[in-house]
Formats: sequence, structure tokens, C-alpha cells
Amino acid sequence: EAGVAQSPRYKIIEKRQSVAFWCNPISGHATLYWYQQILGQGPKLLIQFQNNGVVDDSQLPKDRFSAERLKGVDSTLKIQPAKLEDSAVYLCASSPGIINTDTQYFGPGTRLTVL
Amino acid sequence: AQSVTQPDIHITVSEGASLELRCNYSYGATPYLFWYVQSPGQGLQLLLKYFSGDTLVQGIKGFEAEFKRSQSSFNLRKPSVHWSDAAEYFCVVGNNAGNMLTFGGGTRLMVKP
Repeated sequence: EAGVAQSPRYKIIEKRQSVAFWCNPISGHATLYWYQQILGQGPKLLIQFQNNGVVDDSQLPKDRFSAERLKGVDSTLKIQPAKLEDSAVYLCASSPGIINTDTQYFGPGTRLTVL
Repeated sequence: AQSVTQPDIHITVSEGASLELRCNYSYGATPYLFWYVQSPGQGLQLLLKYFSGDTLVQGIKGFEAEFKRSQSSFNLRKPSVHWSDAAEYFCVVGNNAGNMLTFGGGTRLMVKP
């Protein structure tokens, strides 16, 4: 079974530029998550989708971050414009459902550096 | 609001020695608790999880954790550490209204030969 795929793996941009990350969850997984992991910290949930609907985006900085999950499969996370403090690893995870006992499976992440 | 504290940022143990990583959580109801491991260049992997029942939980790679409600703790243990266990370990609490996970700050484990 293929795992969660993310691209690109690394991205370097100047501040005020825009950037987009892509995630392909495990086939059949209804729930998709985006996390931000700043160096030296644990991951922080940004947004949670179930199929193509948003379940929780309370920690997403909506003035600059946006995410979508068209057709309930792939997802993109966008930052526009980027700030220095957005430098982090962006992790995508998926789970079969929204039941709280479901295991979340994480992708390898995209490491973003904002200069 | 739920929160997790991992008091030890770094821990170094000798190969073959026993290991205990500490975790304290804050949550108003019965928590859902997890331990994840993050190895260099690899994604986060679930080691074990606790939802209810037996408070001693067995996981993969020989790890176990014990839920102690009175101490609000969920410490991770392994009787004999292998060099390949060197990684970052995260204690995680999940709410029981959905699947929202809150991660602790992590403990970086180094293993001496």
C-alpha cells in the first residue's frame, strides 16, 4: 500500500512570494490533515478535511494560508504572501475516517525555507 | 484546551540500557493518547495508542506505555534500547470529539554505543 505522498520535498522562497504544497493521501482515506512543524517543536494542526469539506481550520492563519481538497482526494496548501516565520516543515496526514481511534498516517513533509 | 508536556528535550542512553520518556497531559475528559516517533528523513510513525481498557499498552518495536490517570501521565518505556531507536519521540493527546491531535514538544533520544 502506497503511503502519503507530498511534493515538493524542499522549497526555498523569498519573503512575500507565494508557494503551494501538494498532498496525495492513502487511497480511500476520507480524512486529510495539514500540520506545520517549526524546528524544535511538535507538529501543529492547521486544517482538517473530511472528504472535500473542512472539519477544523481554527489554527489556520487565513489571511495568508489557504487549503483545498477538490474531489475529496488530493489537497493543496498555499501560502501567499510568505513570511520569515513560515519557515517550517509542512506535513500532510490521512486517516481512514474521522473516528478518533483511527491512526493518522503521515507523509515525509515539505521543508519550506523563507529568506 | 488540551495540552501535552514532555519535560525532557534531550535524553542520551547507552545501547542495551532501559529507557523511559516522560509525558504529562492536560485534558478535561478521558484522553486519547499516542506516542509517535520521527526518524531523520522519515515521516512520523505511530508507536502505540491508548483509548480505554488496560492501562499498559504494547506497541511496535518493543515499546510500551502506561496510562496513569492520577498523575496525568503516559510515559513511554523500552527495556533495552537499540541504536536504531535514536529519533525524536512525540507524546500526543487527542480529543474525544473528533480526531484533533495536540503534539508535545518532543524528546530527542540519542543512543551511545
